[in-house]
Amino acid sequence: AQSVTQLGSHVSVSEGALVLLRCNYSSSVPPYLFWYVQYPNQGLQLLLKYTSAATLVKGINGFEAEFKKSETSFHLTKPSAHMSDAAEYFCAVGNTGFQKLVFGTGTRLLVSP
Amino acid sequence: NAGVTQTPKFQVLKTGQSMTLQCAQDMNHNSMYWYRQDPGMGLRLIYYSASEGTTDKGEVPNGYNVSRLNKREFSLRLESAAPSQTSVYFCASSEGGIAEQYFGPGTRLTVT
Repeated sequence: AQSVTQLGSHVSVSEGALVLLRCNYSSSVPPYLFWYVQYPNQGLQLLLKYTSAATLVKGINGFEAEFKKSETSFHLTKPSAHMSDAAEYFCAVGNTGFQKLVFGTGTRLLVSP
Repeated sequence: NAGVTQTPKFQVLKTGQSMTLQCAQDMNHNSMYWYRQDPGMGLRLIYYSASEGTTDKGEVPNGYNVSRLNKREFSLRLESAAPSQTSVYFCASSEGGIAEQYFGPGTRLTVT
């Protein structure tokens, strides 16, 4: 079975501050991990994905995530938040044995000036 | 290249009414998915189609039916709508397996 836990339904940061969104996963086989972003009234779009190559994955808009097997984590970071980063972020897990992904419950990022 | 399109964008139904949500993709993807999104619950998979001609239940299939009409189109039907089905519905497609999923803009459904 697979599952994803996103700690914190809301995260607030100031513009220019570090962004850290947490994701822990559970998977009985090597996982594939994804971060998606959803802007208001839109569908989800892929930020980045981990597919067992490099453990540090760089995505769009300056985001990156590090796969840590020992901690079963795949936290999303960005060194300096921008107002345009305000959105909801979803972590998802899959593996080669399944035809589908399991999504976390999402974290809403709020960015204040 | 429109990606994944969904119709309608908004719909209001009365309890007991039926409707079909339409989804189409122009990326020649094998797999298609229907999700519902509710506050605090993330995305939950309703049904998916790994390839043309196949459909499988996801996490929350009760009250829904699907049809994979052809490789491009995957529809979701509510036979007798209930207030618990008030949600935002997303269709997605992918090449299959653990490949990236591409999402449509969503349908906001309210059942009164």
